Amino acid sequence: SAVISQKPSRDICQRGTSLTIQCQVDSQVTMMFWYRQQPGQSLTLIATANQGSEATYESGFVIDKFPISRPNLTFSTLTVSNMSPEDSSIYLCSTRQGWQETQYFGPGTRLLVL
Amino acid sequence: GQQVMQIPQYQHVQEGEDFTTYCNSSTTLSNIQWYKQRPGGHPVFLIQLVKSGEVKKQKRLTFQFGEAKKNSSLHITATQTTDVGTYFCAVSSGGSNYKLTFGKGTLLTVNP
Repeated sequence: SAVISQKPSRDICQRGTSLTIQCQVDSQVTMMFWYRQQPGQSLTLIATANQGSEATYESGFVIDKFPISRPNLTFSTLTVSNMSPEDSSIYLCSTRQGWQETQYFGPGTRLLVL
Repeated sequence: GQQVMQIPQYQHVQEGEDFTTYCNSSTTLSNIQWYKQRPGGHPVFLIQLVKSGEVKKQKRLTFQFGEAKKNSSLHITATQTTDVGTYFCAVSSGGSNYKLTFGKGTLLTVNP
């Protein structure tokens, strides 16, 4: 199973600033995913990040607001740009492995925007 | 993309009581996955169901996939305080445009 780490684990930020979240996987993976989970809510997919290509964003999410990098097969970053209080959420990265297409999640980054 | 409805949103039980959460789709699903998220934690994969009418068990947890592959359920027998958390079903769209869409989840609380 994949082991995923994220940094930072939590942060408190001022509105108008940007935060970059790092995600590291302990093995090489093709697809990495970024999710947002607002308090008490389900997970919403932000984008899919494949190495060597542009990230694919879901409806309601744009590259200018959530730029993503995927420099290699074990690492990705998500930037939350020009933050507002509405961006306060948990941001989770994940990948999938195995014949069951099991999705593994990182521990999440808890973001509070004041 | 595929949508799935999950009920109930919340369930509070006494320890030892049973618990069931349901997921329903208007379209036929290729498969369905179940995840558990403990309070303050991240989702953890429990199981994937693929076949029509499939039933799988993990100790006190029983997972079912409907005959028409449009609904699924997770049943916990004799709940324990360690079962507390949010249970999500999730459906995948396959192929090169793979992604996982989650239900809204059922938050289970257990009174000891």
